[in-house]
Amino acid sequence: EAGVTQFPSHSVIEKGQTVTLRCDPISGHDNLYWYRRVMGKEIKFLLHFVKESKQDESGMPNNRFLAERTGGTYSTLKVQPAELEDSGVYFCASSTRTSGAYNEQFFGPGTRLTVL
Amino acid sequence: GQQVMQIPQYQHVQEGEDFTTYCNSSTTLSNIQWYKQRPGGHPVFLIQLVKSGEVKKQKRLTFQFGEAKKNSSLHITATQTTDVGTYFCAGETAGGSYIPTFGRGTSLIVHP
Repeated sequence: EAGVTQFPSHSVIEKGQTVTLRCDPISGHDNLYWYRRVMGKEIKFLLHFVKESKQDESGMPNNRFLAERTGGTYSTLKVQPAELEDSGVYFCASSTRTSGAYNEQFFGPGTRLTVL
Repeated sequence: GQQVMQIPQYQHVQEGEDFTTYCNSSTTLSNIQWYKQRPGGHPVFLIQLVKSGEVKKQKRLTFQFGEAKKNSSLHITATQTTDVGTYFCAGETAGGSYIPTFGRGTSLIVHP
């Protein structure tokens, strides 16, 4: 079974530019999460999709961030325009959870974003 | 909002010594999860605890969930160099939207 994949693995852009990150979850996983980790800090929740619907986007920093999951398969996270504080590692995770407590999340390798 | 505090931030041990990381939540949790991230890698799910006072073991790893479901610990007996990495706890609140709040993680460095 293929794991969660993310593209690109690294991205270096200048302040003001646009970057789009992509996540392909494990096939059949309805739940897709985006997280961000800044060096030495916690893994911070950004948003949660169930299939193509945004279930919770309370962690999105501001309107410069736009996430989509068309068709309920892969997801994209666009940052436009990027700011210095957007630098960090962006993780995507997926799970099969539909109800109840069990929630094993499978993380992708992450995209390291550096904004100069 | 909910906060999950994790200590220590770093821990250096000699191979063979024990290691413990602690998590405390500001609110009562419905469950707590533990993840391990190897250097340069991504978080990998280790376990989920749900019941008050629950204790689970995985070989040399022992996980505990407090009676009040607000704290948890991970203990590694006789560390090995393969244990190196950052250990994260992540707690979900009762009646929440299945969104775990992660702690800052504890980075374990094992010296051979």
